[in-house]
Amino acid sequence: DAKTTQPPSMDCAEGRAANLPCNHSTISGNEYVYWYRQIHSQGPQYIIHGLKNNETNEMASLIITEDRKSSTLILPHATLRDTAVYYCIVGTGRRALTFGSGTRLQVQP
Amino acid sequence: GAVVSQHPSRVICKSGTSVKIECRSLDFQATTMFWYRQFPKQSLMLMATSNEGSKATYEQGVEKDKFLINHASLTLSTLTVTSAHPEDSSFYICSAREGSGIGTDTQYFGPGTRLTVL
Repeated sequence: DAKTTQPPSMDCAEGRAANLPCNHSTISGNEYVYWYRQIHSQGPQYIIHGLKNNETNEMASLIITEDRKSSTLILPHATLRDTAVYYCIVGTGRRALTFGSGTRLQVQP
Repeated sequence: GAVVSQHPSRVICKSGTSVKIECRSLDFQATTMFWYRQFPKQSLMLMATSNEGSKATYEQGVEKDKFLINHASLTLSTLTVTSAHPEDSSFYICSAREGSGIGTDTQYFGPGTRLTVL
C-alpha cells in the first residue's frame, strides 16, 4: 500500500474549519484514501473515504486533488470533541490498514 | 456506520495466565477481521489477519502459538493471549471488514481492550 505523509500536529479554534492535509504521491489507481481518527484510549473511528471524487458525509468532507497525490480532510465546524489523532491511510480496503503517525489535532476553546 | 464490539474492555491478569478477547461485528457479517496492538504513544501495529473458517495469517515477529486467533463465525473472532507476561501489556484492537471484497471495503474498529499483566 502507498505511504502517506501528514503533519505531526495542528491546532484549530473551536467553531472554525479544520483542514488536515495528507500527501500520498505513490498512490496507485485502485487505492482509496481513508481517514480515521483515534480519540485517546479508544479504537479508531472511521470518518470517510474516497477514490478520486470529493466526498462529504455528516462528519467531514474529503477533497482529493485531480492527480490524487494529496488530499485534505475538512471538519467544517470543529468542536472540542474533535481533538484526536487523525490518520490518512491509502489502500484497497481488502487488506489490513497500515497506520502511520497521523496528525494530532488540538481544538482550542 | 457499522458497529464492532470488544469484550472485555479492560483486563488485569497475573503473569502466566491466559486471556481471551472477543471481537464481534454487531450489524454486519465479516469474513475478515484484523487484530492490532498499540503500545503507549505509538501507532497501531497489525498482528494478524483472521479469516472466517481458516487459519489466521500472522505478521512477522508475532508468535502464533502465543497469540491464538479463532474466527469461527462471520460475526466473532477471538484472540487468546497465552501465558501472558508483562511485556504483553498493551491495547489490543480488532477491526472487521464490511464489504463483498470487490471494489472498496470499509474497516470498522472495536473500542479496544486494555491488557495489563502483573
